[in-house]
Amino acid sequence: DGGITQSPKYLFRKEGQNVTLSCEQNLNHDAMYWYRQDPGQGLRLIYYSQIVNDFQKGDIAEGYSVSREKKESFPLTVTSAQKNPTAFYLCASSINVGDPYEQYFGPGTRLTVT
Amino acid sequence: AQKITQTQPGMFVQEKEAVTLDCTYDTSDPSYGLFWYKQPSSGEMIFLIYQGSYDQQNATEGRYSLNFQKARKSANLVISASQLGDSAMYFCAMREGWNNDMRFGAGTRLTVKP
Repeated sequence: DGGITQSPKYLFRKEGQNVTLSCEQNLNHDAMYWYRQDPGQGLRLIYYSQIVNDFQKGDIAEGYSVSREKKESFPLTVTSAQKNPTAFYLCASSINVGDPYEQYFGPGTRLTVT
Repeated sequence: AQKITQTQPGMFVQEKEAVTLDCTYDTSDPSYGLFWYKQPSSGEMIFLIYQGSYDQQNATEGRYSLNFQKARKSANLVISASQLGDSAMYFCAMREGWNNDMRFGAGTRLTVKP
């Protein structure tokens, strides 16, 4: 089945450690996105990528880094510079950047940093 | 400035009745798209319905319809014949022009009572 996978579903880390969240899609979508969701709030865009080896910052990119070496994969690294990393992270993809069609979302990763 | 406003933090509806979830938006771009997503307690985001700014008719998808009032900049979601499985968070979102930055509202938590 086509879709977006994120792993793991739950992730626990100690403060000061970098952690990488996985996102893989087999929908053949060009564009991929990372969002952060805090309790009781909407989604905020961290980074997005239109094409392999290219990505742009969203509203809250500080303390995060991404790579897009393959069309199918868009991993997100939460660095120790991110002040409040505990959150729910959602990855999404879409047919083409700029078109009006919907973004397809993965199941999310809940990150807890203590 | 808030681009998407959802003024109802929580809503209750009796099973089999209809419910309207409010969404207002702010943009000066004549070309934009409006989206509604459902987020169950499991966390994944499920696309429900889309309305383009140039669409002449209100969008409908099964039990979901979008009451699009362009002059008032509102895009309310109407769910007919509510079911227990409709209990979830609902998010309104907007993409302006060919911008990749999809803005989400804070969400409305809908509870369907048996």
